[in-house]
Amino acid sequence: DVKVTQSSRYLVKRTGEKVFLECVQDMDHENMFWYRQDPGLGLRLIYFSYDVKMKEKGDIPEGYSVSREKKERFSLILESASTNQTSMYLCASSFALGQALQATNTGELFFGEGSRLTVL
Amino acid sequence: SQQGEEDPQALSIQEGENATMNCSYKTSINNLQWYRQNSGRGLVHLILIRSNEREKHSGRLRVTLDTSKKSSSLLITASRAADTASYFCATGYSTLTFGKGTMLLVSP
Repeated sequence: DVKVTQSSRYLVKRTGEKVFLECVQDMDHENMFWYRQDPGLGLRLIYFSYDVKMKEKGDIPEGYSVSREKKERFSLILESASTNQTSMYLCASSFALGQALQATNTGELFFGEGSRLTVL
Repeated sequence: SQQGEEDPQALSIQEGENATMNCSYKTSINNLQWYRQNSGRGLVHLILIRSNEREKHSGRLRVTLDTSKKSSSLLITASRAADTASYFCATGYSTLTFGKGTMLLVSP
């Protein structure tokens, strides 16, 4: 089974701290994604990556950066945490179109268990 | 970006009853996916229906797609308490955009 592992389930940080959220997948997926999930707002895409050292902005990239030095690892960085970044962060990965052996590659996302970040 | 919106926002039923959730989206799609999320956990992929399909089954799940109305429905038959979760539809080409979800509560 595909496994997407997020390093921390719960974090509590102070305003202004630098925060690293780590995500590792074990299925050789090309694509990796970071979403945040807030009540009433649903899931919103922060950043995604199609390949090592590649990154693309999602819908809400402000206040975040990412790093993808290895194919299996995608890190989300909060340079200076703020209280409005208190949220549930979800990492996901998927095959790229054409990467999967089956012809019906469809972009199914595999999610980690989430990291609940509280910024005080 | 494309976006699905689920309806209703919340649904409460008894075990054994069927649960139907709907999703509407705005632009053309290549496929539509449904995901489930247990409280405080990550999302799990349930089923995908392609734009040229009208209905698809997987166990107790039945998904329909009407591209002319830009809508999809997810039916869970013979619901169990363990089906209690939030259900999301998602669409997109290079990235997936999720709706806000339907929260399903199945009471014993």
